[in-house]
Amino acid sequence: EDQVTQSPEALRLQEGESSSLNCSYTVSGLRGLFWYRQDPGKGPEFLFTLYSAGEEKEKERLKATLTKKESFLHITAPKPEDSATYLCAVWGYSGAGSYQLTFGKGTKLSVIP
Amino acid sequence: NAGVTQTPKFQVLKTGQSMTLQCAQDMNHEYMSWYRQDPGMGLRLIHYSVGAGITDQGEVPNGYNVSRSTTEDFPLRLLSAAPSQTSVYFCASSYSWGSQGENTEAFFGQGTRLTVV
Repeated sequence: EDQVTQSPEALRLQEGESSSLNCSYTVSGLRGLFWYRQDPGKGPEFLFTLYSAGEEKEKERLKATLTKKESFLHITAPKPEDSATYLCAVWGYSGAGSYQLTFGKGTKLSVIP
Repeated sequence: NAGVTQTPKFQVLKTGQSMTLQCAQDMNHEYMSWYRQDPGMGLRLIHYSVGAGITDQGEVPNGYNVSRSTTEDFPLRLLSAAPSQTSVYFCASSYSWGSQGENTEAFFGQGTRLTVV
C-alpha cells in the first residue's frame, strides 16, 4: 500500500526564517511526486512535479527536491503570504493496471511578521 | 479557461436525501477524480475515471456513485446521505496519469462543503 508521510504537522516561522518541510513516501513504481499549496476554503493549488531522484524545481521562495525515499520543500526567507497548508502526493501503482494519487496529511505553515 | 468547476459550493442535506455534486473541466483531461477532505485525514480518493465510460473505486467509495458519459463531466452522486458524509469534496483532473509518464499533475476545483444533518 502506498504511503505518504509529511512532517512536521505544523510549523511556525518568523518572517525571513528559512526552513524545510519533509515528505517521505513508499510507493510501487513512482510516476511523479507533487507538491501543492492549499489556502483555507480553497482547493489545492499545484506547485511542483518531480519525477526522478536528484531532480530539483524552484519557484520564487520555494525549492523542491527529490530522493528515492523522500522529498523536501525548502522555503527561503518566507513571508506571511506563504502561510498555507502544503500537501505532498505521489502516483503509485495500485494493482490491476490502476494508478492512484495518494496524498499526505499536509504541513500547516504559519509565517509570523 | 475555467479549469475545474464544481457546483454547488455549499450544501446542507438531511439524512437519507440524495444529491449530485457536479464537476466539469474544460482542459480535455482524460483522468478525473473525486476526493473528500476531513480534518486530520487528508485527501482521500473516492472514485476516479481514466476516460469516458470508465470508472473505478478509490479508497472510500461506499455510499457514492459516479459515471463518466463525456470527457468534460464527472458527477458524484450521494445515494442516501449520512452524517458521516459531512465533508469537503474536491474534484480533480489531469492530462495523463500514473501509467503515462509526464503531464500527470492534477488540477483541483474549489470544493463543495457538504453538511448532512
